[in-house]
Amino acid sequence: DAGITQSPRHKVTETGTPVTLRCHQTENHRYMYWYRQDPGHGLRLIHYSYGVKDTDKGEVSDGYSVSRSKTEDFLLTLESATSSQTSVYFCAISRIASGAVNEQFFGPGTRLTVL
Amino acid sequence: GDSVTQMEGPVTLSEEAFLTINCTYTATGYPSLFWYVQYPGEGLQLLLKATKADDKGSNKGFEATYRKETTSFHLEKGSVQVSDSAVYFCALDYGAGSYQLTFGKGTKLSVIP
Repeated sequence: DAGITQSPRHKVTETGTPVTLRCHQTENHRYMYWYRQDPGHGLRLIHYSYGVKDTDKGEVSDGYSVSRSKTEDFLLTLESATSSQTSVYFCAISRIASGAVNEQFFGPGTRLTVL
Repeated sequence: GDSVTQMEGPVTLSEEAFLTINCTYTATGYPSLFWYVQYPGEGLQLLLKATKADDKGSNKGFEATYRKETTSFHLEKGSVQVSDSAVYFCALDYGAGSYQLTFGKGTKLSVIP
């Protein structure tokens, strides 16, 4: 257990509304990630962070923004939600194991439905 | 770029059957390889890993061997249980300080009594 929580766990929203998802970790890890999971696509990286105020885009970043003002919190914002953003969103942290191996640990997920 | 290809699912097996889920990868250099498992309604959990050629990762009766010559990391278990029903993801670490994983699309396993 890497001490990762996500909130909310479920959300239903309307097209065009802003939505913010929160990821919170308790172990002070430097790297944090947001993924989305969709049938037939597996996991796709949206954005990641390598420190406070340091973020970068992933594979599917269009329509999403992120912020990290504290080590423990990583926020994902959908500025204007669309139906194509209906998905399950996972937050993850990176724990570097011996040999500099990047092990990622995941939160429980947020199921977002955009109507 | 680096990529991971897993066998298409879903896979349905009877309890105590032998399991193989194929995973092959394309990568420059020598990535670390992982298998993750996702139980219904949960996030992914690290199942096992291997960091160099010929390494065997193992956990909970599952095994996978890093085969550089065939660029493969197939997941195996000798006798599956109903509780093994889940989605399994193969993944690789780019390495070189990138701190990003590349995931396969997942293989859903259903084990029936």
